[in-house]
Amino acid sequence: GENVEQHPSTLSVQEGDSAVIKCTYSDSASNYFPWYKQELGKGPQLIIDIRSNVGEKKDQRIAVTLNKTAKHFSLHITETQPEDSAVYFCAASKGAGGTSYGKLTFGQGTILTVHP
Amino acid sequence: KAGVTQTPRYLIKTRGQQVTLSCSPISGHRSVSWYQQTPGQGLQFLFEYFSETQRNKGNFPGRFSGRQFSNSRSEMNVSTLELGDSALYLCASSQDRGNTGELFFGEGSRLTVL
Repeated sequence: GENVEQHPSTLSVQEGDSAVIKCTYSDSASNYFPWYKQELGKGPQLIIDIRSNVGEKKDQRIAVTLNKTAKHFSLHITETQPEDSAVYFCAASKGAGGTSYGKLTFGQGTILTVHP
Repeated sequence: KAGVTQTPRYLIKTRGQQVTLSCSPISGHRSVSWYQQTPGQGLQFLFEYFSETQRNKGNFPGRFSGRQFSNSRSEMNVSTLELGDSALYLCASSQDRGNTGELFFGEGSRLTVL
């Protein structure tokens, strides 16, 4: 089955700096790669996603890049703010294209701390 | 619009007992997925239901089961509880339509097995 590796496990940055989290996946059939943010006491929340037919996607301060050949994808957060502090999870699935999105394989998570 | 609602939020059980967790998806969402979250194993997929049918299943023993009702509400059951079943159980719903892949998670049911 699919395996997703995520690095680093913890990341500490100063407010205003950029943060980068990297993931690799094993199943070349995976075609959907979401990123979720989980705050304390809450369920994960989607922040951005990318499909395998796209190399990069941006939404304000957040961007995701995908390298299908190398089977890795990355989350980039620019101009970090204290409220960005949370646990971030990458995930992979074969959901794009009409099949099920519900089965995600998650990475182990990155604890991001943004210091004011 | 109300979010995904999970009940109970917290519960304590002893080894050998069984537990039933409930999930009410966002109105109009037909797909419900369940995940187990632990510090050691992270987020692991349990199963997914769509239109009352189990569509996908993760690698968990048969003690873990679920079902979905005609109103899309879902329940999961864990029988013969073990200490290792202590975890946060998260339910997520999705529209499962077109290119909309977003899962909407509830806040989870935290199970402690003593």
